Amino acid sequence: NAGVTQTPKFRILKIGQSMTLQCTQDMNHNYMYWYRQDPGMGLKLIYYSVGAGITDKGEVPNGYNVSRSTTEDFPLRLELAAPSQTSVYFCASSHIRTDPFNEKLFFGSGTQLSVL
Amino acid sequence: AQKVTQAQTEISVVEKEDVTLDCVYETRDTTYYLFWYKQPPSGELVFLIRRNSFDEQNEISGRYSWNFQKSTSSFNFTITASQVVDSAVYFCALSERDRDDKIIFGKGTRLHILP
Repeated sequence: NAGVTQTPKFRILKIGQSMTLQCTQDMNHNYMYWYRQDPGMGLKLIYYSVGAGITDKGEVPNGYNVSRSTTEDFPLRLELAAPSQTSVYFCASSHIRTDPFNEKLFFGSGTQLSVL
Repeated sequence: AQKVTQAQTEISVVEKEDVTLDCVYETRDTTYYLFWYKQPPSGELVFLIRRNSFDEQNEISGRYSWNFQKSTSSFNFTITASQVVDSAVYFCALSERDRDDKIIFGKGTRLHILP
């Protein structure tokens, strides 16, 4: 059981480049989330999804896009990378509402992104 | 709006001391959930506890205990007889189930346990 898998683990981008951070989970979770972690700033929610075909903005969505065509996958797209997007990105999933006694986030191992 | 405040940015204690990490939250909902997560130096995020707004019983799990007080909107976390392996960043989080499905995190408290 792999849980939540994020790829890549590390990436360096030049300003203006685009890339997609991949996230997949094999737990049949309805809910998926993207967070970014900046030093001293905790985790900020970028986007989240409550099921296939449904996405919504979090606290800091600007500069990002997401899609949720399947239950398993929730990729995060950076279209024009900027230095402000240098951060560690975490994908997470949860059984929320389908399993109310097990409402916790399962996190991927993170993607460290540097935009230079 | 929902908000989680962890006022302690960084704490250092000597091994075997007890330490309490504070978490204060704001919410407009009557139904909400509170969480604590641990992030050790390796970087992964580890779930510690989930508490719903209708259950104010304090919880103890080994050396860990949690004090949930709705009257002060606090959900504090105490480590008893701290160990070096407890060194990590600890995050408190809140979700408002009646309003949306976001889970919002505090900024975290970095805990150093000194040998």
